[in-house]
Order: sequence, then structure tokens, then C-alpha cells
Amino acid sequence: KQEVTQIPAALSVPEGENLVLNCSFTDSAIYNLQWFRQDPGKGLTSLLLIQSSQREQTSGRLNASLDKSSGRSTLYIAASQPGDSATYLCAVTERQTGANNLFFGTGTRLTVIP
Amino acid sequence: DTGVSQDPRHKITKRGQNVTFRCDPISEHNRLYWYRQTLGQGPEFLTYFQNEAQLEKSRLLSDRFSAERPKGSFSTLEIQRTEQGDSAMYLCASSLALRQSTEAFFGQGTRLTVV
Repeated sequence: KQEVTQIPAALSVPEGENLVLNCSFTDSAIYNLQWFRQDPGKGLTSLLLIQSSQREQTSGRLNASLDKSSGRSTLYIAASQPGDSATYLCAVTERQTGANNLFFGTGTRLTVIP
Repeated sequence: DTGVSQDPRHKITKRGQNVTFRCDPISEHNRLYWYRQTLGQGPEFLTYFQNEAQLEKSRLLSDRFSAERPKGSFSTLEIQRTEQGDSAMYLCASSLALRQSTEAFFGQGTRLTVV
């Protein structure tokens, strides 16, 4: 069964710092990997989608990379802001089960201190 | 269209009661998913529709749970005889199946509390 792990579970950084969130998955046969943001008590906001054939995707201050063979992805946030404080979740869709459901990690709770 | 919409946002119910949640996906999306999320955990897949057909159900979806998507538009998730362990956030997502690997968009969720 696919297992997705996110490290660290929580992270606090001062405003303006660059930071990296890590995601690993056990089965490299994936269709894609998606990064989400979740504010407390709210739903998920999609940040970036990386197809299995891609190495990275960028959106504004966010850059996500994918190394499928090693089962790893990173989310890089440049020049962090207090508004970036949230839980960040990564999720993969598997080739084995089809692109019909996402396997999620437990998230990294980010706090950006003003 | 502003995204995936879920109703209600919060529901408190007594144990043993039935509850029903509604999800309206992004209008052109033909795939609709339900997930459940408990505190401190990532969402877990419950079930998936392509158009009106329910094509996949997780083992998490006990016989007290039923989901429908009449006419391939909105979907409902009903929980019968609720238990305290059903307390969770229920999330709906939709995507457009142009190809296998497409982006999923989530709603704001329905927070269920069973007392």
C-alpha cells in the first residue's frame, strides 16, 4: 500500500526566510504528485501539480520538485510571509489503483513568525 | 463558477441520527471524490464517481455510508445511525478527466460532530 510521509511535522521560521518541506512516498509508480495548503478548519487549496514525467513546477514564490525514482518531492517557499502559515499536504495518485484517488501525507504545519 | 461547494459547513448531530451532506463540483468536472479527514491526519479516500457512476469505494466506507450522484452533477453523502467515530471533516473534490492525471480541486468541507 502506498504510504506518504512528510517531514518535518511542524516548522517555525522567521518572516523572510526561505524554507523547504519534504514529502516521500513508498511506491514510485505514480501518475502525479500534488501539493495542497490547508488553513485551520478549512478545505484544501491546490498549490502545484507535478506530472510523473516532470521534474518541477513553479508558481510565484513556490517551487515543487519531483524525483520519482527515489520517491521524493520537495516544496520550496521563497521569502516566507506570515500569510504562508498553514498546513501543507502532499498527495500522490498511483498507477496501480488508477488516477481515481489521492494518497495523502499527514502534513507539515508551518508557522511564519512576523 | 467559484469552485467546489459543500453544504452544510458544520453539522452537529446526536449519535444514532442520520445525516446527509451535499457537494456541488466545478460545473464541467466529470469526476467527483469524497474524502474523510480526522484531526491531525491527511484526508483518506472514501469513494469516487465518474459522471453518475460510482466506480470505486474504499473499505473505509461501511454499509452505513451511501453516496449518490444523480445525473452526474451534485453528489450527496449520507451516514446512517451515526457513531462518535464518524466525527470528522468530510471533503469533496472534483476533477476533469481529460486524461488520467489531472488536478483535483477541493471544497471547504463539512465538519461533522457526533455527540
